[in-house]
Amino acid sequence: GQSLEQPSEVTAVEGAIVQINCTYQTSGFYGLSWYQQHDGGAPTFLSYNALDGLEETGRFSSFLSRSDSYGYLLLQELQMKDSASYFCAVREAGRRALTFGSGTRLQVQP
Amino acid sequence: DAGVTQSPTHLIKTRGQQVTLRCSPISGHKSVSWYQQVLGQGPQFIFQYYEKEERGRGNFPDRFSARQFPNYSSELNVNALLLGDSALYLCASSLSRGGVDTGELFFGEGSRLTVL
Repeated sequence: GQSLEQPSEVTAVEGAIVQINCTYQTSGFYGLSWYQQHDGGAPTFLSYNALDGLEETGRFSSFLSRSDSYGYLLLQELQMKDSASYFCAVREAGRRALTFGSGTRLQVQP
Repeated sequence: DAGVTQSPTHLIKTRGQQVTLRCSPISGHKSVSWYQQVLGQGPQFIFQYYEKEERGRGNFPDRFSARQFPNYSSELNVNALLLGDSALYLCASSLSRGGVDTGELFFGEGSRLTVL
């Protein structure tokens, strides 16, 4: 089995940078994914790290360190529309499903 | 192009009843997965289907069943509903058999089930 831990809530101001951490316990997995979900909406894919290191997609970046069982999502130049829940997820080796963390609720304040 | 569509969007049932939820994947996607999301939690895997065959099952009781049709649409059935089945049921589609080879699933907006 596997478990993922994320902070439950993070608050930041417009224009700032915020980092959402994810630690996991799993015997083996293919990669770490991040999803965004606005209230009442569908989870939307943000990024995927199969290898250690940083992946950058516009204002969002994601990092993975397999040796530390740790990853993070970095959001830059925060906008009000970034207020949402963010989930990390892994696919365990041998399984065809994603296991999600409990999510981090990000509140962006003016 | 249409995304993943699910129906109904909201429904209310009473304990002991049965419910059927429907999902149409993105055109060309052959893999469909179902997830349950309880308020304040992350989605939890229920089933994955590829080419009309069950490829994976999560830790859910036998009251939960699903199937995939030749056009790749899918249904999730839940029998003998319990209060704890109240949740958002999400359908996700992907191109590949693995479904998550790049960690990318395309989710519908879900069916919100309330069991009274």
